[in-house]
Amino acid sequence: GENVEQHPSTLSVQEGDSAVIKCTYSDSASNYFPWYKQELGKGPQLIIDIRSNVGEKKDQRIAVTLNKTAKHFSLHITETQPEDSAVYFCAASRGKAAGNKLTFGGGTRVLVKP
Amino acid sequence: AAGVIQSPRHLIKEKRETATLKCYPIPRHDTVYWYQQGPGQDPQFLISFYEKMQSDKGSIPDRFSAQQFSDYHSELNMSSLELGDSALYFCASSQKFGQGLEKNTEAFFGQGTRLTVV
Repeated sequence: GENVEQHPSTLSVQEGDSAVIKCTYSDSASNYFPWYKQELGKGPQLIIDIRSNVGEKKDQRIAVTLNKTAKHFSLHITETQPEDSAVYFCAASRGKAAGNKLTFGGGTRVLVKP
Repeated sequence: AAGVIQSPRHLIKEKRETATLKCYPIPRHDTVYWYQQGPGQDPQFLISFYEKMQSDKGSIPDRFSAQQFSDYHSELNMSSLELGDSALYFCASSQKFGQGLEKNTEAFFGQGTRLTVV
């Protein structure tokens, strides 16, 4: 089955700096890669996703890149703000045709210091 | 916008008891997923349903069962509860969309049910 590894497990940045989280996956059939933000006591919130036919996607301060050959994808948060502090999970899926179950990385706890 | 609704939000049960968790997907979503998240861990896929039929199965114990009803809501039934079943249980829903080779879809999660087995 799919195995997703995520690094780093914790990340502390100064407000205004950038944060980068990296993930690798093992299943070459995976073609959908979402990122979720989870705040304490809440459910994971989808913040951005990328599909295998795209190499990069940006949404305001958040961007995601995908390298299918190397089987890795990354989340970039620019101009970090204290409200960006949360646990971030990357995930991989083979898509709806294959059930669309998500395999998550281990999570990255991001702390943005004011 | 309507989100995924889970009930109850918190549940305390004793060992060997049973529990039923409910999930109401976003309107017009046809697929429901159940995930279990232990303390400090990532969510682990349990089971999913598409159009009321089981579509995929993950690391769900035999003591657990689930179904999706005609109104698309889903219930996760857990029997012979063990201390190790204490966790957050999330339901997510999605709707098939898009054309072409990659029929991927976004999955939206509910707020979860915190189950504590004592």
